Amino acid sequence: DIQMTQSPSSLSVFVGERVTITCQASQDISTDLNWYQQKPGKAPNLLIYDASNLETGVSLRFSASGSGTDFTFTISSLQPEDIGTYYCQQYESLPPTFGGGTKVEIK
Amino acid sequence: EVHLVESGGGLVQPGRSLRLSCAVTGFTFEDYGMHWVRQRPGKGLEWVSGLNWNSDRIGYADFVKGRFTVSRDNSKNSLYLQMNSLRGEDTAVYYCGKDYSVAVTGRIDSWGQGTLVTVSS
Repeated sequence: DIQMTQSPSSLSVFVGERVTITCQASQDISTDLNWYQQKPGKAPNLLIYDASNLETGVSLRFSASGSGTDFTFTISSLQPEDIGTYYCQQYESLPPTFGGGTKVEIK
Repeated sequence: EVHLVESGGGLVQPGRSLRLSCAVTGFTFEDYGMHWVRQRPGKGLEWVSGLNWNSDRIGYADFVKGRFTVSRDNSKNSLYLQMNSLRGEDTAVYYCGKDYSVAVTGRIDSWGQGTLVTVSS
């Protein structure tokens, strides 16, 4: 199985600051990567697919890049409604696997 | 609008069985692969199982192989997960998810709200 290593596991930033999360795959997954946001008590919500494509209706504050084994997710200017846990997920091969998550909080 | 609604969760004793269902609306069910993903209390997301549009390709996570069976009924727009020989570590919220294609790629683009399964005596 492909292992996804996500960091940091948590972070706390001020409103308006930039947030960066990284995700590393244990082998080359090309651009077969999703990023999800999960708010407490809710289902995950797809933000980014194919490593860098913004899902329809998702705020332009969110962006992502990367290919191969190294990926980055960015919130350009953190807003209060962005708090939650963010996960990367590879779908290059079954089983699809998730990073451990990054909990984002407001400082 | 895509809508997935899970049901069938609840409290069950170790060793017993439970069947989860996922009813979908808002898209042509038979045109998409489907998945089950779980989240244990306070933990991250784990893929459980998935199948393609006509059920001729099915995958399972190692930790459920031989115990869980996924199936679908395209005439009823429904996905199922039969869970046998349940263990305490199967306690989780179980989500159904829609694949972006007819295949079972793992690229999940829509999720249900989840149903809680608690395995305890």
